[in-house]
Amino acid sequence: DQQVKQNSPSLSVQEGRISILNCDYTNSMFDYFLWYKKYPAEGPTFLISISSIKDKNEDGRFTVFLNKSAKHLSLHIVPSQPGDSAVYFCAATQTSYDKVIFGPGTSLSVIP
Amino acid sequence: DAGVTQSPTHLIKTRGQQVTLRCSPKSGHDTVSWYQQALGQGPQFIFQYYEEEERQRGNFPDRFSGHQFPNYSSELNVNALLLGDSALYLCASSLGQGWNEKLFFGSGTQLSVL
Repeated sequence: DQQVKQNSPSLSVQEGRISILNCDYTNSMFDYFLWYKKYPAEGPTFLISISSIKDKNEDGRFTVFLNKSAKHLSLHIVPSQPGDSAVYFCAATQTSYDKVIFGPGTSLSVIP
Repeated sequence: DAGVTQSPTHLIKTRGQQVTLRCSPKSGHDTVSWYQQALGQGPQFIFQYYEEEERQRGNFPDRFSGHQFPNYSSELNVNALLLGDSALYLCASSLGQGWNEKLFFGSGTQLSVL
C-alpha cells in the first residue's frame, strides 16, 4: 500500500530550465509534506516543506505547490543547476502521528 | 558539529544470521528513527525511539528490534536474516517528542544478505 507515489522514476532537464517533480498521495489524513534530496553515498537531506493549510511555499530556487483536492504536490526548481542532480523524495506525515512516509523517489539529472 | 553517524558502512551476512547496526544522533538530538531503503525504493519507516522507548513502529516483523541508550545512540537488530533484508539502512535523528519536520539522516549501512 504505497501512500506516497512518485510516478516518474527519472527526469532530465537542461541547465537553466525549470525542473518539475511530481508527487501524489492517497491518505487524506496527511497534513504536512516534505521534499528530501539524496546524493549518492549520502543520507537524504531536508529540502523544503509545506503544511496542508498552505498551497505554496517558496525557498530560493525551490517552490512546492500543494493541491489538496487532487492529493497532489509538486516541486519546482528554477533555474536548474547541475548540482541539483540527485534523487528527490517526496514525503508526508500526520503531524500528530510523527511517522514520515516516503515516496520511491525521482532521479533528476540536470544537463550542463 | 557532528552529524548523524552510522556504523558499519557496509556489511555482508548470510541467511539466518543476526546483525546489529549502530547510530549516533546529531549532537543535541534525542530522537532516533530507523528506515530501510531497498534498491529503487524510498526509505521505509521501521521504528522510532525516544527516551529509550519505541514510540512508533512501521510494518516490519518482530525480527526487527531496536534499542536506545541513555546517551541517545541507538541500535537496530535484525534476527534470522532473509535475502529480502538486503538494503540500505538509514538512521535519522531529530529533537523532541513531538513533530519535527527536519530529520537529519546518516549515510546509512549497506547490508547484503547472501
